[in-house]
Amino acid sequence: SQTIHQWPATLVQPVGSPLSLECTVEGTSNPNLYWYRQAAGRGLQLLFYSIGIGQISSEVPQNLSASRPQDRQFILSSKKLLLSDSGFYLCAWSVGRNEKLFFGSGTQLSVL
Amino acid sequence: DAKTTQPPSMDCAEGRAANLPCNHSTISGNEYVYWYRQIHSQGPQYIIHGLKNNETNEMASLIITEDRKSSTLILPHATLRDTAVYYCIVKVGGGGNKLTFGTGTQLKVEL
Repeated sequence: SQTIHQWPATLVQPVGSPLSLECTVEGTSNPNLYWYRQAAGRGLQLLFYSIGIGQISSEVPQNLSASRPQDRQFILSSKKLLLSDSGFYLCAWSVGRNEKLFFGSGTQLSVL
Repeated sequence: DAKTTQPPSMDCAEGRAANLPCNHSTISGNEYVYWYRQIHSQGPQYIIHGLKNNETNEMASLIITEDRKSSTLILPHATLRDTAVYYCIVKVGGGGNKLTFGTGTQLKVEL
């Protein structure tokens, strides 16, 4: 069966520090991968979308970047965090044209 | 993709049916209606989706009006564990899966 791993669960970082969040998927090949962010009390905002290795689409201009070095690995990064980067970050995957998204357990990021 | 309108919150007694409405008056003919839910501090979970016909699975039923301008998600026997934010999303089927989540409806199931 397919599983998605996302870590860490919580993270507290100072302003200006770098960020690296990792997401891996098991049990499927060539998944579509996504990074979403949810600010407190808000809906989910799609940040990045990838249909394959090295193929990244950015949905909104921001302080973050994403990379997909392997088929089932998706990384969210920042060189210098801002206060506004705080939020709940969720990784998700889907296969083919199927609209069923499967989400990870999320990372609660607090930038102080 | 068409926009959706949902009430911000609803309450439901445990054991009763929870009926969550969604308005999507600008929906086009090739757009599907999807429902997800998000339990506090977890990732969203897929519930059900449909195009024209009513749909039912082990989690819920989806009723789409004949003109497709609105729909209702029905949880037939709500339990405390169904307390969550429910998202109604309208999107063209296939061709990428970039679902846009709004603020949804906070359903609170109470004893």
